[in-house]
Amino acid sequence: EIVMTQSPATLSVSPGERATLSCRASQSVSSNLAWYQQKPGQAPRLLIYGASTRATGIPARFSGSGSGTEFTLTISSLQSEDFAVYYCQQYNNWPLPKFTFGPGTKVDIK
Amino acid sequence: QVQLVQSGAEVKKPGASVKVSCKASGYTFTSYGISWVRQAPGQGLEWMGWISAYNGNTNYAQKLQGRVTMTTDTSTSTAYMELRSLRSDDTAVYYCARELPLQLGGFDYWGQGTLVTVSS
Repeated sequence: EIVMTQSPATLSVSPGERATLSCRASQSVSSNLAWYQQKPGQAPRLLIYGASTRATGIPARFSGSGSGTEFTLTISSLQSEDFAVYYCQQYNNWPLPKFTFGPGTKVDIK
Repeated sequence: QVQLVQSGAEVKKPGASVKVSCKASGYTFTSYGISWVRQAPGQGLEWMGWISAYNGNTNYAQKLQGRVTMTTDTSTSTAYMELRSLRSDDTAVYYCARELPLQLGGFDYWGQGTLVTVSS
């Protein structure tokens, strides 16, 4: 069973600054990694899949990188609407789809 | 436009069962897999399982094996998740989510969530 960890648990950032969020898998997941944003009372929103491909409609300030066991989500210049919780998720399609979420990183206002 | 509309909130007693529905529209239902994800109050996201809307194949999270059943009705483009032997720690918001096409991974559309409260 693959275990996902995220760091830090909370990240305090000022608007306009860069935010760097980390996600680690207990074993290699290749590039089978997605990132989500969730705001209070809302369903999660897909930001990145395939470790680095932005989902439809996601602003260019969001970027993903990494492969294997180490991944990063970077928000280049935080906007007010970006303060939220961010989750990474690994996926494995063999023999049938299976998914595991990380515990999340909360990005709040410094 | 793609929409996933879930059934309303439920209150159940411990030991009971709950069945949540997820009606899809705006796309070809049988071309995509559906996963169910839950979120306990103040907690993170937990993947519960996946069902192919094409052939009904399922894959459940190990911790829920034996208590959860996912089905689809292709005539109404609706997915269902039934959870049995409910406990207080099953209290959560339950989401259905559509898998990206071509099994690219990730969930691009989500239902609005259904709050299931388990309380005596």
